[in-house]
Amino acid sequence: RKEVEQDPGPFNVPEGATVAFNCTYSNSASQSFFWYRQDCRKEPKLLMSVYSSGNEDGRFTAQLNRASQYISLLIRDSKLSDSATYLCVVKSGQFYFGTGTSLTVIP
Amino acid sequence: DTAVSQTPKYLVTQMGNDKSIKCEQNLGHDTMYWYKQDSKKFLKIMFSYNNKELIINETVPNRFSPKSPDKAHLNLHINSLELGDSAVYFCASSQGYRDFRNQPQHFGDGTRLSIL
Repeated sequence: RKEVEQDPGPFNVPEGATVAFNCTYSNSASQSFFWYRQDCRKEPKLLMSVYSSGNEDGRFTAQLNRASQYISLLIRDSKLSDSATYLCVVKSGQFYFGTGTSLTVIP
Repeated sequence: DTAVSQTPKYLVTQMGNDKSIKCEQNLGHDTMYWYKQDSKKFLKIMFSYNNKELIINETVPNRFSPKSPDKAHLNLHINSLELGDSAVYFCASSQGYRDFRNQPQHFGDGTRLSIL
């Protein structure tokens, strides 16, 4: 079983839509959780950390459910510039990456 | 100003050659990593060093040899390059390998290796 499972998509959504990604992890002792964004031919960049109480950064909201061992990312009012691959990352000792979810926002 | 820098950005070479990729971070982090991202886009951990000590060594051919002269540098040497080595190699760093603080990884902008 993979440490981190993520739906690869692709998700194609119109501008202004709300889109949600989920990710599940297998190790209940995992300590830290993150969402990264990777643009085509670029390096992964930290989008936001995920805290137990949930956290928001502008149009982005991240949630953690320790009981069900999943994390989520909600993007409201999608912009064309949100098109990218979103990577779920879980730290339990080392960092474990999901395969990434591809998002394309369509005009 | 660059936090994690790796060189070269592009590397085109012939099968059988030996090449090195260098990585340096100025964030004061104590842990550094090498990842391989192939055409299927999955990021696969290769090695990790914490304070110059090897802590992660995934199933990687022994043609790949990491070297960490100090905690700010982690280089990757590859012997006898093969076609399957073509990929993007990312260096990353983070603070604290086993601590519980929410410290993320920071990535370099990648080295695109193409084997002819």
